[in-house]
Amino acid sequence: GAGVSQTPSNKVTEKGKYVELRCDPISGHTALYWYRQSLGQGPEFLIYFQGTGAADDSGLPNDRFFAVRPEGSVSTLKIQRTERGDSAVYLCASSREGGDTQYFGPGTRLTVL
Amino acid sequence: GENVEQHPSTLSVQEGDSAVIKCTYSDSASNYFPWYKQELGKGPQLIIDIRSNVGEKKDQRIAVTLNKTAKHFSLHITETQPEDSAVYFCAASAGGTSYGKLTFGQGTILTVHP
Repeated sequence: GAGVSQTPSNKVTEKGKYVELRCDPISGHTALYWYRQSLGQGPEFLIYFQGTGAADDSGLPNDRFFAVRPEGSVSTLKIQRTERGDSAVYLCASSREGGDTQYFGPGTRLTVL
Repeated sequence: GENVEQHPSTLSVQEGDSAVIKCTYSDSASNYFPWYKQELGKGPQLIIDIRSNVGEKKDQRIAVTLNKTAKHFSLHITETQPEDSAVYFCAASAGGTSYGKLTFGQGTILTVHP
């Protein structure tokens, strides 16, 4: 079946702007995760949804970052007042249940000029 | 919180040789240890995983071993092929409030020379 999809694949924005990144998980997966990967580093956890609720948002770096999953399927990661340090690849993953194998999407490369 | 250390950062082998990548973790509550392969411009792809109730798992040319007492686990790739060249990441996950959250190592760039 279809894997995790993310849009856009690339996003270039200017410092101070607002951006939204979208994730479509594998159909039927109840758990969804967002990670951020800087160049040459491993992915870093941001937030984990079980259904519609955020079960763990301990990785969100500050209040400029927010994520939603209103219907328990698609999720949107929202970044306000972007900074150059936000430039990274944002990865989304999903699993059947929390703690099960996580399957990753291709990521969205965000560049803040 | 959990901390995962991965070594080596780069590994170069000849085709047909074996490759070993090692990881250590800090949280004794961690009970799930996946390994991911990431090719340039793509998302991480799961290649094998192990849970804490077993000490070793094998899938064709790939095997993972886990030593919970020493808090380390390793990836073994035998009969390496050029298409195995990629960045490999280990990760660890604990239960409780951290359930589902993966902590990744820094990655190992594996190059297999034909």
